[in-house]
Amino acid sequence: EAGVAQSPRYKIIEKRQSVAFWCNPISGHATLYWYQQILGQGPKLLIQFQNNGVVDDSQLPKDRFSAERLKGVDSTLKIQPAKLEDSAVYLCASSTRLTGGSYEQYFGPGTRLTVT
Amino acid sequence: SQQGEEDPQALSIQEGENATMNCSYKTSINNLQWYRQNSGRGLVHLILIRSNEREKHSGRLRVTLDTSKKSSSLLITASRAADTASYFCATALRGINTGNQFYFGTGTSLTVIP
Repeated sequence: EAGVAQSPRYKIIEKRQSVAFWCNPISGHATLYWYQQILGQGPKLLIQFQNNGVVDDSQLPKDRFSAERLKGVDSTLKIQPAKLEDSAVYLCASSTRLTGGSYEQYFGPGTRLTVT
Repeated sequence: SQQGEEDPQALSIQEGENATMNCSYKTSINNLQWYRQNSGRGLVHLILIRSNEREKHSGRLRVTLDTSKKSSSLLITASRAADTASYFCATALRGINTGNQFYFGTGTSLTVIP
């Protein structure tokens, strides 16, 4: 079974530029998550999709971040314009329903963003 | 914030020793999961314990959950150098027909010295 794919793996941009990340979840996984992980911290959920609908985007800085999941499969996360504090690893995860209603997440390798 | 907090922040032990890390959280949960993250890589799911369970085992891993204290512990027995990684607890809140919503803790950085 193929894992969660993300691209690019690394990106360096200057502040005020825009950037986009792509994620392809595991086939059949209805739920997709984007996390931001700043160095030395745990992942912070930015947005959660169920199929192509948004379940939770309460921690997404909507003035500069946007995400979409057209057709309920792959997803893109965009930052425009980027700030220095956006330097982080952006992780995509997908999940499947386990017995009993619990969910286990599968993570991609992440995209390391450096904003200079 | 629902985000959990792990304790200790960093732990260094000799190979063969046991490692224990703790997680505390704030609100009622559906389940709690532990993940491992090797340096520069994505997170890997280790074990899940449901809110009605008190203890779970998987190989060298033992997880306990005390919902009255809103805390969990992860024990790694007979540690190996390959266990060197950061460990995160993730609390899962029930989402109605939408999958769980996850909140990760701050992590424990474990170093196992050969």
